[in-house]
Amino acid sequence: EPEVTQTPSHQVTQMGQEVILRCVPISNHLYFYWYRQILGQKVEFLVSFYNNEISEKSEIFDDQFSVERPDGSNFTLKIRSTKLEDSAMYFCASSDAPWGGYTFGSGTRLTVV
Amino acid sequence: KNEVEQSPQNLTAQEGEFITINCSYSVGISALHWLQQHPGGGIVSLFMLSSGKKKHGRLIATINIQEKHSSLHITASHPRDSAVYICAVRGPGGGADGLTFGKGTHLIIQP
Repeated sequence: EPEVTQTPSHQVTQMGQEVILRCVPISNHLYFYWYRQILGQKVEFLVSFYNNEISEKSEIFDDQFSVERPDGSNFTLKIRSTKLEDSAMYFCASSDAPWGGYTFGSGTRLTVV
Repeated sequence: KNEVEQSPQNLTAQEGEFITINCSYSVGISALHWLQQHPGGGIVSLFMLSSGKKKHGRLIATINIQEKHSSLHITASHPRDSAVYICAVRGPGGGADGLTFGKGTHLIIQP
């Protein structure tokens, strides 16, 4: 069964450093998403991406975040200057249609120290 | 903004019991998702509903759009069903709208 692949599975970074989280969505999917889950809290929407541009973003997705689909297969989330409160599990997801089902990646656990 | 409430927050049951998890939301939606999250953290999509009822194996999901309520049922529960079950809704605009998640129901099935 097709999968959404996320790398790395765990990343530790120093506060103030830039990190890039990588995702390979399912190949025929068109809609891509990033979500995060702070430990012990509910999953929160960050951003959706379609047709090479951001479709919707939450208030969490401020200027320190950016997304990119650099080569037609990868979908990346960049955090420019990490803060302690960015520590969370980050999930990538993709969908094949606007009202289609989701497939989630297994997540990247980001720890900012 | 949609508010998604799940009940119960925690549920412990014996193997074989019939399980019901409830989800209610405050604003009209285009779809509702039931998701499963295991201790390792990964999220698996179980169902997407916009009306009626769906069944997959021992899992059944129903939705009542008028009442803004959905239920997830597990028949003949088994310890491997132990996980967090999450309800998430997509706004009425559908499309690329992000999902709004509930806090999840932590289910433990004891042998």
